[in-house]
Amino acid sequence: EVQLLESGGDLAQPGGSLRLSCAASGFTFTNYALSWVRQAPGKGLEWVSAISGSGGSTYYADSVKGRFTISRDNSKNTLYLQMNSLRAEDTAIYFCAKDNSWGGNAAMVYDYWGQGTLVTVSS
Amino acid sequence: QSALTQPASVSGSPGQSITISCTGTSSDVGFYNYVSWYQQHPGKAPKLMIYDVSNRPSGVSNRFSGSKSDNTASLTISGLQAEDEADYYCSSFTRRSTPIFGGGTKLTVL
Repeated sequence: EVQLLESGGDLAQPGGSLRLSCAASGFTFTNYALSWVRQAPGKGLEWVSAISGSGGSTYYADSVKGRFTISRDNSKNTLYLQMNSLRAEDTAIYFCAKDNSWGGNAAMVYDYWGQGTLVTVSS
Repeated sequence: QSALTQPASVSGSPGQSITISCTGTSSDVGFYNYVSWYQQHPGKAPKLMIYDVSNRPSGVSNRFSGSKSDNTASLTISGLQAEDEADYYCSSFTRRSTPIFGGGTKLTVL
């Protein structure tokens, strides 16, 4: 059974940093790209970032480029999102999502999602 | 890049069919056959319902179907059931090699 478990969400001050983690199980981790998708309270889904199965390719939304860094540790089956220079508009539930395309390239279609971790940016 | 355009809400009675539209541009919906649809119940994670315009993942009811014409994709739910009441989001791959989501549609089963 595929499981994605996010952690690391917290209250952070504007300009601060947080690191989110997503522990994965139930599939061959290196064979699939992974992404972060966020949802502000009461709002719709917003794609944030993606990483290929090998970690060699990364992709970012314009809204987070230069502030967020996606990475993965294939020896630990874990995905990360380093969030720096946080802004109030980054407040959201952050979901970890698994690509449905075997092979590691990012098709950015998501067949499994975690339950999300809440990031609140406020002073 | 603006979100794909979806109606804010749609409604239907049990047993009826409804269609949710998703309008993009020639740089996303119109360019690729990579449109997906997600269902999200309150407080839950999204669930993939349709991918590559019209393909259903294993386990998704055949009451759900997808199509596309030019820059507009559509999700049709036939034989509406109470459990279908949820938010629905479309998504498309774009020429920037990133995905974009629609603003979401709230489906109410009357």
